[in-house]
Amino acid sequence: QTVVTQEPSFSVSPGGTVTLTCGLSSGSVFTSYYPSWYQQTPGQAPRTLIYNTNTRSSGVPDRFSGSILGNKAALTITGAQADDESDYYCVLYVGSGSWVFGGGTKLTVL
Amino acid sequence: EVQLVESGGDLVQPGGSLRLSCAASGFTFSSYSMTWVRQAPGKGLQWVSYISSSSSDMYYADSVKGRFTISRDNAKNSLYLQMNSLRAEDTAVYYCARYRRNVAKDIVILPVHYFDIWGQGTTVTVSS
Repeated sequence: QTVVTQEPSFSVSPGGTVTLTCGLSSGSVFTSYYPSWYQQTPGQAPRTLIYNTNTRSSGVPDRFSGSILGNKAALTITGAQADDESDYYCVLYVGSGSWVFGGGTKLTVL
Repeated sequence: EVQLVESGGDLVQPGGSLRLSCAASGFTFSSYSMTWVRQAPGKGLQWVSYISSSSSDMYYADSVKGRFTISRDNAKNSLYLQMNSLRAEDTAVYYCARYRRNVAKDIVILPVHYFDIWGQGTTVTVSS
């Protein structure tokens, strides 16, 4: 059973930088897991932010960036804004027709 | 405008059945694989099922295997999820999402494996 781990919560000051991570309960996250990131505000559908580790989806501001940091995938928000306060989910393609979401990180901007 | 609109969510008793639909518009539906993702109240996202563009491949999360069936009608630009033997733990908002297996960059086809377009969701409540 593959478990994808994310920080349950994080806080950042307006204008600050925050890095959210996406790991595996056993093992490392590689680009071959094609990590992608999604933003969701309460009551709304998810919005695609990053795919294929570090490619921004159309219309996503460049303050959002993706990478591999150590053994995890990472989403960095540089110059956080109030409307970045959301839940953020990563998902990994684990192959054989299976995708696993992380539990999500609730980001507070204050 | 590229759009996905889910429907069919309802209150159903445990053990009951429900069929969800997802109407696609603004893109060539028959060219894309599609998926269902759900979100239980107050919980995170969970991948549920996948179907390839031609319906040749279908995959399911272990939690729904044998109970749910994904299908599509390319002539009607529609995706479906037949849910049988419903349980309380199936209570969730169900989203359909378009799947991108790869993208073309210059003359290269790059695998990407992500969900690029999402519907607004339809709510399924399983309760007596």
